[in-house]
Amino acid sequence: KNQVEQSPQSLIILEGKNCTLQCNYTVSPFSNLRWYKQDTGRGPVSLTIMTFSENTKSNGRYTATLDADTKQSSLHITASQLSDSASYICVASPYSGGGADGLTFGKGTHLIIQP
Amino acid sequence: SAVISQKPSRDICQRGTSLTIQCQVDSQVTMMFWYRQQPGQSLTLIATANQGSEATYESGFVIDKFPISRPNLTFSTLTVSNMSPEDSSIYLCSVVTGYNEQFFGPGTRLTVL
Repeated sequence: KNQVEQSPQSLIILEGKNCTLQCNYTVSPFSNLRWYKQDTGRGPVSLTIMTFSENTKSNGRYTATLDADTKQSSLHITASQLSDSASYICVASPYSGGGADGLTFGKGTHLIIQP
Repeated sequence: SAVISQKPSRDICQRGTSLTIQCQVDSQVTMMFWYRQQPGQSLTLIATANQGSEATYESGFVIDKFPISRPNLTFSTLTVSNMSPEDSSIYLCSVVTGYNEQFFGPGTRLTVL
């Protein structure tokens, strides 16, 4: 059964600090790994999409890494801001591109940035 | 990109009633999707709605409980029928654009008493 496990479940850090969120996936076949940010009361917004051949991808202060051998990904947030408070969802896809077929979603990490 | 709006944004309903959620996209898209996000759980795909054909439902979801309409390329509705407290959830509309990118609507937060 395809699964995506995220850790930690929740995290509280002080504004300005860095943090790293983890994602382990068991998805076969596997094509790409996505990270989404979901603000409270909003839908998920894409941060990064990495194919199995990519190791890292950045989007501003967000940097995602992927190790397809160990089936692990991480999302690193640098110099956190209050607006980073949100849930971060890891998603594994069996197909190339950014479509919606066969996606396996993690439960998300709930991140709180404190001033 | 695609801008998606949903109505209502939230609602509180009584057990046994039905609620229809509307999803409007600012551009024509072939594929629209409906997801459920229960508290503390991951997003779960309910069904795929293509214009001009019957919606395709995922395992565990049936048309009688979640009827879907897709009258044109920019609009879809999802009805949650004969609601029970277990249907309390966030319901999200999603589309895939011609560039094969997926976008989500803001969601409809449903509470069933």
